[in-house]
Amino acid sequence: DIQMTQSPSSLSASVGDRVTITCRASQGISSSLAWYQQRPGKAPKLLLYGTSRLESGVPTRFSGSVSGTDFTLTISSLQPEDFATYYCQQYYTTPWTFGQGTKVEI
Amino acid sequence: QVQLQESGPGLVKPSQTLSLTCTVSGGSISSGDYYWSWLRQFPGKGLEWIGYIHYSGSTYYNPSLKSRVTISLDTSKNHFSLRLSSVTAADTAVYFCARDGGIIALGYWGQGTLVTVSS
Repeated sequence: DIQMTQSPSSLSASVGDRVTITCRASQGISSSLAWYQQRPGKAPKLLLYGTSRLESGVPTRFSGSVSGTDFTLTISSLQPEDFATYYCQQYYTTPWTFGQGTKVEI
Repeated sequence: QVQLQESGPGLVKPSQTLSLTCTVSGGSISSGDYYWSWLRQFPGKGLEWIGYIHYSGSTYYNPSLKSRVTISLDTSKNHFSLRLSSVTAADTAVYFCARDGGIIALGYWGQGTLVTVSS
C-alpha cells in the first residue's frame, strides 16, 4: 500500500493567517491526490482533486501544489469556518489511502 | 444534487456479520462511470477505504479486508450494500458510503453511520 504521511498533526492559527499542510507519498502517485475537510460529526468534504483542481463551490483561498512526492494544501487567509480537520488521499493505486489528518485549531 | 444515505444496525455482536445499505438519490447508480465506495473512520479518526463496486458489477476490495467483505448493488432500488463478516471490536467505526468519480475522487459522501461491535 502507498503510505501517506501528513504533517503537522495539528496546528494553531488565527483568522487571516496563511496555513500550509503537507502530505508526502511513499512512492510516486502522479497528480492523483485529493484533499478533504471534515468538521466534527460530519462527513469529509472534497476540496481539491488532481492535486490542484478546486471542487465546485470551494473558495479560491484553498489551493494545492506538488513538489515530487510532497503535496501541499494552502489556505491563503484562514476564515472562521476553516477550523476543521484536513485529510489527503491518494487515488493512484488501490487501495486508496489517507493521511492521518491535520486538525486546524484556533 | 446527488445524495447518499447509509442505513443499518448500529450494534453488531462479535463474530456476526455487519450489513449496511447506501441509498442514492438525485441520480442513478447505473449511469455515468462512477464507483460506489464504502469507507470507515475509526474512533481515533483514521480513515480506511473498504472497497467499491461499479454499476457493471465489478468490485475491488482493500486486501486487508478482502476475505471478509462483500459489496453488492441493486439497480432497481438504486442502492448498494456492504457486508463485513466475522466482526470484532476493531471493526467499530463510523461507516461512510461515497461516490468515487475516478479522477475527480470522492465527491459525494453519506453522512456516516456509527457501528459498534459489542456483545
